[in-house]
Amino acid sequence: DAKTTQPTSMDCAEGRAANLPCNHSTISGNEYVYWYRQIHSQGPQYIIHGLKNNETNEMASLIITEDRKSSTLILPHATLRDTAVYYCIVNLRGNEKLTFGTGTRLTIIP
Amino acid sequence: EAQVTQNPRYLITVTGKKLTVTCSQNMNHEYMSWYRQDPGLGLRQIYYSMNVEVTDKGDVPEGYKVSRKEKRNFPLILESPSPNQTSLYFCASSLWGQVGTDTQYFGPGTRLTVL
Repeated sequence: DAKTTQPTSMDCAEGRAANLPCNHSTISGNEYVYWYRQIHSQGPQYIIHGLKNNETNEMASLIITEDRKSSTLILPHATLRDTAVYYCIVNLRGNEKLTFGTGTRLTIIP
Repeated sequence: EAQVTQNPRYLITVTGKKLTVTCSQNMNHEYMSWYRQDPGLGLRQIYYSMNVEVTDKGDVPEGYKVSRKEKRNFPLILESPSPNQTSLYFCASSLWGQVGTDTQYFGPGTRLTVL
């Protein structure tokens, strides 16, 4: 599985868009990009995933660069409840193991 | 409500005393998995199961056992716990072939302390 690189921590003002970057320069053609978040020692929560097209759901948007070597998770209007650790994972679809790194600790500032 | 439940949520035990952490899901998922989470190390997979009676090792299986006799249950067994197994444990389940997607659910976690 391709490894990912994320900043250790980020801050974002409440109500602004939070943009979380992820580098995955060794991603292979059939590997997906997945994003999860974990709020204060709760179980990880699925956010979104994509292969090469940009994706949007009710929680977030995922922008994947054309060469697929990096992606950005966008929380359009961050709230205090979005404070969490965000994990970017690259994985073959259906692969039994998700390899979580250490993620980005996002803090939303009032 | 679709959910993964774990019991107990908190447990303090002593070295060598066998224990079992239960995991149950109500979504008829084929795939179930156990992770442990330690500071600075992220989540690491212990064991996973693709269906009843089918289990396999993850990244850190030493010191753990699992069984999958029923589709809904996937208990984690520590035959002789040691202090280095003090950790936060998560169970997860998913539809087969959908690991990582919006069908994957994690339990609330079990915080285990081994003295």
